[in-house]
Amino acid sequence: DAGVTQSPTHLIKTRGQHVTLRCSPISGHKSVSWYQQVLGQGPQFIFQYYEKEERGRGNFPDRFSARQFPNYSSELNVNALLLGDSALYLCASNPGVSNQPQHFGDGTRLSIL
Amino acid sequence: EDQVTQSPEALRLQEGESSSLNCSYTVSGLRGLFWYRQDPGKGPEFLFTLYSAGEEKEKERLKATLTKKESFLHITAPKPEDSATYLCAVQIGFTGANSKLTFGKGITLSVRP
Repeated sequence: DAGVTQSPTHLIKTRGQHVTLRCSPISGHKSVSWYQQVLGQGPQFIFQYYEKEERGRGNFPDRFSARQFPNYSSELNVNALLLGDSALYLCASNPGVSNQPQHFGDGTRLSIL
Repeated sequence: EDQVTQSPEALRLQEGESSSLNCSYTVSGLRGLFWYRQDPGKGPEFLFTLYSAGEEKEKERLKATLTKKESFLHITAPKPEDSATYLCAVQIGFTGANSKLTFGKGITLSVRP
């Protein structure tokens, strides 16, 4: 079975630009979460979506937004990019019920010049 | 605020030299404690979930234990392929923002042949 897939794998942008990152969850998983991982740190929670609705949001500015589609795939959008947005962006999925573990994709490495 | 502290930050072992990684946590109402393994350039790979104090889980050379304040990941007779960063995360609920994972910074393990 395919795991969580993310695209693109790498991305280089300049300050002020906008970026869209994509995620396809494991088949049958209805919940998708997004995390930001800065080098040398653990992942930090950005958003959780379940059944196409935002169910949780971390401490990130409004420049960050996301959505979930009817097929449960998801997009993370970041506007007005800053140097500090350079990080590995991880997507995780789980069935969305009880406390099943979240399974992660390999992320999108975003570099801001 | 929920806090997860992992120690040591880095650990270098000789092949076959057993050791333990520590994860201490401060949360209001633990629902689950998760261990993940992360290889360079990859997303976290799920290892274990622990739900209550006294619980233990094993997988090959790894054994995870949980008390009311901390969790240990014991590595018995490690091999070079066990070299990775090990992440600990806590979860305080099953739905919405409470289902987010709060991670520690991780422990980088290097096993020399």
